Amino acid sequence: GAGVSQSPSNKVTEKGKDVELRCDPISGHTALYWYRQSLGQGLEFLIYFQGNSAPDKSGLPSDRFSAERTGGSVSTLTIQRTQQEDSAVYLCASSLVSQGNNEQFFGPGTRLTVL
Amino acid sequence: AQKVTQAQTEISVVEKEDVTLDCVYETRDTTYYLFWYKQPPSGELVFLIRRNSFDEQNEISGRYSWNFQKSTSSFNFTITASQVVDSAVYFCALSEASDYKLSFGAGTTVTVRA
Repeated sequence: GAGVSQSPSNKVTEKGKDVELRCDPISGHTALYWYRQSLGQGLEFLIYFQGNSAPDKSGLPSDRFSAERTGGSVSTLTIQRTQQEDSAVYLCASSLVSQGNNEQFFGPGTRLTVL
Repeated sequence: AQKVTQAQTEISVVEKEDVTLDCVYETRDTTYYLFWYKQPPSGELVFLIRRNSFDEQNEISGRYSWNFQKSTSSFNFTITASQVVDSAVYFCALSEASDYKLSFGAGTTVTVRA
C-alpha cells in the first residue's frame, strides 16, 4: 500500500506569512506524529495525534504552531507569522498504534524555507 | 528524561569495509524500545530495526547486524561489506513503553566510496 505522503515537498515563504503543511498517513494507522529536522536541533518531536484523543502538543516550539487532524486521517500543520528560524524539514510519521514498540513510518518531508 | 547519543558525526569507508555505528542511550524506564533509521540522500527516513529492552538477543539480517547491551546502555549497528548504496545518515532512536515519541540521536553520516 501507499506510504505516508506529504505536501508540498518544498515551500518557500516570506517572513511573516502563514504556511500550511499537509500529511496523509498510511491507511489504517491510528497514530500520527509531526517532527522537525533542522541543522541546529536535529530531529525534534512536535505533536502527536491518536484517534479522537486530545493531541499531545508538548513539542510545539511556540503558539505560532498548531496542527489538526480531520476525520482521524489527514493532518495539517500550520505555522503562523513564519520566522527564519522556522526553516527546516517537517516530517510526518504514522504508526499502527501508539505504543512505544510500534515503528513509525515517515513521509518524505516538507522542506520549508523562510526568507 | 530520554537521551540518545551518537558520538560519531561522520564515517567514511571504502566499499567492502565494515562499518560500526555507536549508540548510547539513557532512560529511567525498565521497558523501552530502540530503533535504527536510515536517511538516504533522498531524505526519507527508513525504518531498519526495533529491539525491546527485555530482548538482548543480537540479530543479523543480511549485511546488517545489531549489538544490544543493556549493561552499557548501548545499541550498536554494523554494516558488513559496505556498498555505495549504504551511504546515508543513520539515526538511533529510543521510545519508552509509556510514551510514543521517538527521541533521536544526532545521526551519523556514512559515506561509502567506490
